[in-house]
Amino acid sequence: LAKTTQPISMDSYEGQEVNITCSHNNIATNDYITWYQQFPSQGPRFIIQGYKTKVTNEVASLFIPADRKSSTLSLPRVSLSDTAVYYCLVGDFGGNQGGKLIFGQGTELSVKP
Amino acid sequence: ETGVTQSPTHLIKTRGQQVTLRCSSQSGHNTVSWYQQALGQGPQFIFQYYREEENGRGNFPPRFSGLQFPNYSSELNVNALELDDSALYLCASSSDRGNEKLFFGSGTQLSVL
Repeated sequence: LAKTTQPISMDSYEGQEVNITCSHNNIATNDYITWYQQFPSQGPRFIIQGYKTKVTNEVASLFIPADRKSSTLSLPRVSLSDTAVYYCLVGDFGGNQGGKLIFGQGTELSVKP
Repeated sequence: ETGVTQSPTHLIKTRGQQVTLRCSSQSGHNTVSWYQQALGQGPQFIFQYYREEENGRGNFPPRFSGLQFPNYSSELNVNALELDDSALYLCASSSDRGNEKLFFGSGTQLSVL
């Protein structure tokens, strides 16, 4: 599974757009990029997954450049309730590997009023 | 549809004791994965169960063992508890072993004194 690097922490204010970038220089051809969100005293929650270009859902957007060596999670107009730790994961999760996620330390996002 | 539930929510044990943690998977899910999360760290994969069989294991000693039952609920057993076993233990279920979209419970906070 590819190693990922992301900032340890970020600060933002309510209403701003937040972009969290993850580096994964040794991503493999079959690897997907997946982001999870974790609130204090809760388990992580799946946010979004992508392979290339752009993916958008009701929560976030994921931007992946052509070389796929990095990805950016974009949270539009954050609110206080978006304060959480965000994890970037990279791997070929198909076949037998689906549940064996490798989490790094994540990015602790703090949203201020 | 019920989500993933774990019991108990909190537990205090002493070094050398044994503990059993329980998890009910989300309806329709046949795969359960267990993770250990130390304070300030990302979750670490312990093992996965798919249709009552262990389907992969992380870097944890044999005193960490598990079971999955015909209804796909699961138990995590830890023998000979050590102080470093103090952590949040998370259970996650998925619709299949090849699916990386995991649904996590809120965890069991284990303290070993």
